[in-house]
Amino acid sequence: EPEVTQTPSHQVTQMGQEVILRCVPISNHLYFYWYRQILGQKVEFLVSFYNNEISEKSEIFDDQFSVERPDGSNFTLKIRSTKLEDSAMYFCASPGLAGVGDTQYFGPGTRLTVL
Amino acid sequence: GIQVEQSPPDLILQEGANSTLRCNFSDSVNNLQWFHQNPWGQLINLFYIPSGTKQNGRLSATTVATERYSLLYISSSQTTDSGVYFCAVGYGGATNKLIFGTGTLLAVQP
Repeated sequence: EPEVTQTPSHQVTQMGQEVILRCVPISNHLYFYWYRQILGQKVEFLVSFYNNEISEKSEIFDDQFSVERPDGSNFTLKIRSTKLEDSAMYFCASPGLAGVGDTQYFGPGTRLTVL
Repeated sequence: GIQVEQSPPDLILQEGANSTLRCNFSDSVNNLQWFHQNPWGQLINLFYIPSGTKQNGRLSATTVATERYSLLYISSSQTTDSGVYFCAVGYGGATNKLIFGTGTLLAVQP
């Protein structure tokens, strides 16, 4: 199974601080997604990113969130000023080699705790 | 927007029992996936099944897209099958974002 990696696995931060979550999707893929899961709830779509641009974002993805591709293989999700309600598991995902309609493979997630 | 509902919400089984999990969705979708979320929170791919039937060991899945539902069958359940099972539908045209269901929490007792 194709591998998607994420760092860090856990992040604890103080309310109001900025956090950066990192993802390395399937090699050479231009498409990836960020999702989040609040503890005990379902997984929710945040944003999709294609070829260095946001292709779609949910209503959750407000101005405090941003996504970037700082280099050829890494993608980041930045939360500028964290709130208590941002505590969640954040997943990145990448479609398989068949393209955007293929199976989405998820990274292991970053558990963010905002104190 | 599309609604994705799963049933039952909770299920307790004795080891060796069989079960069927259901996923209903309210609109046409591009595709459908089943995941198992393990105790560490990882989402494990089980099936990519936009239509038809697939089998993988003790697990099988069927999607009837025209009737907007999918079923996940677990046979001869084991304690390691415990966890949350999610279905997720690919939706939204070119983006194909996944919309997740509400999940089924399965506990398999020895």
